Amino acid sequence: AQSVSQHNHHVILSEAASLELGCNYSYGGTVNLFWYVQYPGQHLQLLLKYFSGDPLVKGIKGFEAEFIKSKFSFNLRKPSVQWSDTAEYFCAVIPFGNAGKSTFGDGTTLTVKP
Amino acid sequence: EAGVTQFPSHSVIEKGQTVTLRCDPISGHDNLYWYRRVMGKEIKFLLHFVKESKQDESGMPNNRFLAERTGGTYSTLKVQPAELEDSGVYFCASSQASLPPRRASYNEQFFGPGTRLTVL
Repeated sequence: AQSVSQHNHHVILSEAASLELGCNYSYGGTVNLFWYVQYPGQHLQLLLKYFSGDPLVKGIKGFEAEFIKSKFSFNLRKPSVQWSDTAEYFCAVIPFGNAGKSTFGDGTTLTVKP
Repeated sequence: EAGVTQFPSHSVIEKGQTVTLRCDPISGHDNLYWYRRVMGKEIKFLLHFVKESKQDESGMPNNRFLAERTGGTYSTLKVQPAELEDSGVYFCASSQASLPPRRASYNEQFFGPGTRLTVL
């Protein structure tokens, strides 16, 4: 069965610092990859997704992620974080053709200090 | 357009009692998913409906959990009898009908706010 590993459970940064959250998955076939964000008191929402093509994908709010197939990784990045980026971030995988059944990582809580 | 809604937002029950969670998907979404997050761990898939049919229920923990989706609209997830380890946040998500297999087999899932279940 596939699994998703997020490297950091809690990250604390100051505003304007750069962010990189690690995500590795274990699945040998074609996958669709996602990052979700859950702001305090809000719904889980899609940040960005990768299906195919350019391995560098851009999402909302200045986030981007790079798919490196050889490393089974899909790390999330943002050059300069803001206090409003404080949230929990989830990486998720759906094997191609798996009708939307998502496998999530444990989540990473990001705290940005003003 | 209304998003996915879930009811109740919180539920506190005693071990052995029954609880029913409800999910109203976005109107017109054929796919409905239930997920659960226990104790800050990963969000785990429970099951997937396509309209009123259970497409995949491989994630259901045991037979104390029963999910239904009458008429292909809202869904309920009943836990009977509840145990301590059932505590967690139960998320529902919905998406539109699947795209043809030769294209991306995924439509964006929209999540509800979750129901936080506490079993004492």
